[in-house]
Amino acid sequence: NAGVTQTPKFQVLKTGQSMTLQCAQDMNHNSMYWYRQDPGMGLRLIYYSASEGTTDKGEVPNGYNVSRLNKREFSLRLESAAPSQTSVYFCASSEAGVGGDETQYFGPGTRLLVL
Amino acid sequence: QQQVKQSPQSLIVQKGGISIINCAYENTAFDYFPWYQQFPGKGPALLIAIRPDVSEKKEGRFTISFNKSAKQFSLHIMDSQPGDSATYFCAAAISGNTPLVFGKGTRLSVIA
Repeated sequence: NAGVTQTPKFQVLKTGQSMTLQCAQDMNHNSMYWYRQDPGMGLRLIYYSASEGTTDKGEVPNGYNVSRLNKREFSLRLESAAPSQTSVYFCASSEAGVGGDETQYFGPGTRLLVL
Repeated sequence: QQQVKQSPQSLIVQKGGISIINCAYENTAFDYFPWYQQFPGKGPALLIAIRPDVSEKKEGRFTISFNKSAKQFSLHIMDSQPGDSATYFCAAAISGNTPLVFGKGTRLSVIA
């Protein structure tokens, strides 16, 4: 069981470039999440997917798009990267749902630097 | 609007001492309150969680105290060890309904 995996681990982009962050989980979880973590700001939710086929905006969705490719995979796309998107990005998954386990399992993170 | 307020931002505790981190929430519909622990370079991991039907939950050296009327909950780490040095996040959610809302985190350093 790999849990939640993220690729790449580290990326440097120039302003205006695009990229996709990949996330996969092997726990058969219904819900998946993308967070960004910045110093002093905690974990802020970008987008989440409560179940396969659905996505919803979180606290800070501007500049990002997501795709829930299937139950296992949830990708985050930056169409035109900006220096303000320099951050550490975490993907997480949970069983969730009414009566389900609320525990969120986090991946190791992707460190993104936008120049 | 910050729905979960966490304090202090950083904390230094002597080895063997008690570490206390506090959180306050605003939404009275929240009914799930977890604490996550994050070591440098790693993703957060669930440490302990509580629901409002109990006022306290203990797992080893870690205890959550919950005060529903004050809309506050706290994490107590007894006999703090250098290995407990990490960032701790409190969070809250409405079970089965909404994603977790996280506090801004507390960086704990336990010194010998």
